[in-house]
Amino acid sequence: SQKIEQNSEALNIQEGKTATLTCNYTNYSPAYLQWYRQDPGRGPVFLLLIRENEKEKRKERLKVTFDTTLKQSLFHITASQPADSATYLCAHPSSGYSTLTFGKGTMLLVSP
Amino acid sequence: DTGVSQDPRHKITKRGQNVTFRCDPISEHNRLYWYRQTLGQGPEFLTYFQNEAQLEKSRLLSDRFSAERPKGSFSTLEIQRTEQGDSAMYLCASSLDETEQFFGPGTRLTVL
Repeated sequence: SQKIEQNSEALNIQEGKTATLTCNYTNYSPAYLQWYRQDPGRGPVFLLLIRENEKEKRKERLKVTFDTTLKQSLFHITASQPADSATYLCAHPSSGYSTLTFGKGTMLLVSP
Repeated sequence: DTGVSQDPRHKITKRGQNVTFRCDPISEHNRLYWYRQTLGQGPEFLTYFQNEAQLEKSRLLSDRFSAERPKGSFSTLEIQRTEQGDSAMYLCASSLDETEQFFGPGTRLTVL
């Protein structure tokens, strides 16, 4: 079965630095990957979607890459701010594409 | 539109009791999803509706769980004979298609 893995350890960085989060998947290549942000006690919020034929996608300070050879997506936040502190979830479509399978998420802590 | 809403936000119940949660999706969204999330984990898919039809159910979903979406608008999730292992955040999401999902704030269930 398809697995999606994110680094379960929290990532601590200083304000102004670039945060890079990793999402790895096994078995088949999904048609797309999605990234969500989740704050404590709240539902996830959609950030970006990248399709398998796209190598890179950007939105403001966010950048996502999709490497189908490495079976990996990288999520970058440039010029990070304390307000970026949250858990970031990677997700891909389940078989049939109707629903999503999420990774465990990586907690990002940005210190002033 | 005010987004996806869920009610109640918190529910404390005793083991063996039945509970019901409600989700009101974004009005023009025909797809509705239920997920369960425990601490340190990503959302885990439970079930999916397209309009009023329940099209997918997780194999992990116990027969104590039932969901309905009678008129293709709001949805309810009922858990019968609750167990302590049911304690989790129950998230509802809606979407127009198979990509971006909009999540509600969740219902936090505590089973004593």
